Amino acid sequence: AQSVTQPDIHITVSEGASLELRCNYSYGATPYLFWYVQSPGQGLQLLLKYFSGDTLVQGIKGFEAEFKRSQSSFNLRKPSVHWSDAAEYFCAVGPQTGANNLFFGTGTRLTVIP
Amino acid sequence: NAGVTQTPKFQVLKTGQSMTLQCAQDMNHEYMSWYRQDPGMGLRLIHYSVGAGITDQGEVPNGYNVSRSTTEDFPLRLLSAAPSQTSVYFCASSYSTSAPGNTIYFGEGSWLTVV
Repeated sequence: AQSVTQPDIHITVSEGASLELRCNYSYGATPYLFWYVQSPGQGLQLLLKYFSGDTLVQGIKGFEAEFKRSQSSFNLRKPSVHWSDAAEYFCAVGPQTGANNLFFGTGTRLTVIP
Repeated sequence: NAGVTQTPKFQVLKTGQSMTLQCAQDMNHEYMSWYRQDPGMGLRLIHYSVGAGITDQGEVPNGYNVSRSTTEDFPLRLLSAAPSQTSVYFCASSYSTSAPGNTIYFGEGSWLTVV
């Protein structure tokens, strides 16, 4: 069965500190992996995606994620968090071809303190 | 969000009323889908379509109908709204179901409250 686990419901970090958001997935085929960010009352914005090649992918806003097949993980990182990064972050997995149906994690809410 | 338009953005319905959430894309995308987002549950797939005339059920299809008469449009119908359908609804689309690495575009969301 396909699933995505984001074990941290809520994370609080200080501005300027580093950030890592965890994502583990269970998927029966080669996965297509995503991180999305959602600000309150807003839609989903794609931060980055991975489907092949270099397992360290760079995204927008200074975010990066590393695909680790052996650990079924796709953790999101940022070296220095800004106050504007406060939002909810969703990890998702889907098929590489066929219907692009995504399975989402339950999200991690990020609070940034000055 | 490039080219996926959802209307309305906000709607309040009474229990038992019907309504249609509209989704349109102008990118000639094959694939379109509807998700609902509930607190603590992430997004869950309601229905999807891989082309005009083709639709299928997702994880939570009960209480919703869809059709895909054109490539551009993928409306979501609530025939008899229930309070359990209070949620935020997102439409998504992507270009091809046969090519890997498609970018999946999401609409801005539709906030629905059923009272």
